[in-house]
Amino acid sequence: GEDVEQSLFLSVREGDSSVINCTYTDSSSTYLYWYKQEPGAGLQLLTYIFSNMDMKQDQRLTVLLNKKDKHLSLRIADTQTGDSAIYFCAEATDSWGKLQFGAGTQVVVTP
Amino acid sequence: EPEVTQTPSHQVTQMGQEVILRCVPISNHLYFYWYRQILGQKVEFLVSFYNNEISEKSEIFDDQFSVERPDGSNFTLKIRSTKLEDSAMYFCAAVPTEAKNIQYFGAGTRLSVL
Repeated sequence: GEDVEQSLFLSVREGDSSVINCTYTDSSSTYLYWYKQEPGAGLQLLTYIFSNMDMKQDQRLTVLLNKKDKHLSLRIADTQTGDSAIYFCAEATDSWGKLQFGAGTQVVVTP
Repeated sequence: EPEVTQTPSHQVTQMGQEVILRCVPISNHLYFYWYRQILGQKVEFLVSFYNNEISEKSEIFDDQFSVERPDGSNFTLKIRSTKLEDSAMYFCAAVPTEAKNIQYFGAGTRLSVL
């Protein structure tokens, strides 16, 4: 069945860039998302990209999509301590369809 | 960001008891979803709900689970007879009319079955 894979952990120094990677298997994926989860909180939508796009930039966030390799990445520029959280990659095949999530990448930002 | 609220934040129950988890209140939302996250595991889809009907459900969503949106207000998830393995974080999500491909999540209800 469909699967979404992420690395489990990333440590980054404050001020550096973070890159979180995600791969997915479903070639029908139309929408790809990044959600952020802080301790004790819900899933906060960070950004999303349509499958017909290669890149999307939103302030410090840059999403890159390589549809051929089914690879999605999230780059956070000038990482801050407040960026420490779990980041989930998710995909959906249609507008109102279920989300298929990765296991999440724990990002730890050190001073 | 369109707000999705859930109650309670934490529910403790005995095995075999019924629990009802709530999404409260939601306005201007079209589609509703329940997901769960067992500790240390992925967020898993349970069910989607549109126009007072289930649109899609996963294998997890068996006869012990039900959803409803009485009077167009609260969106609820009922587990009839809880098992130990139902212990998880349950997230409600909703899609507002103005953002049809975006699911906004609540903070979740932590269910602990003893």
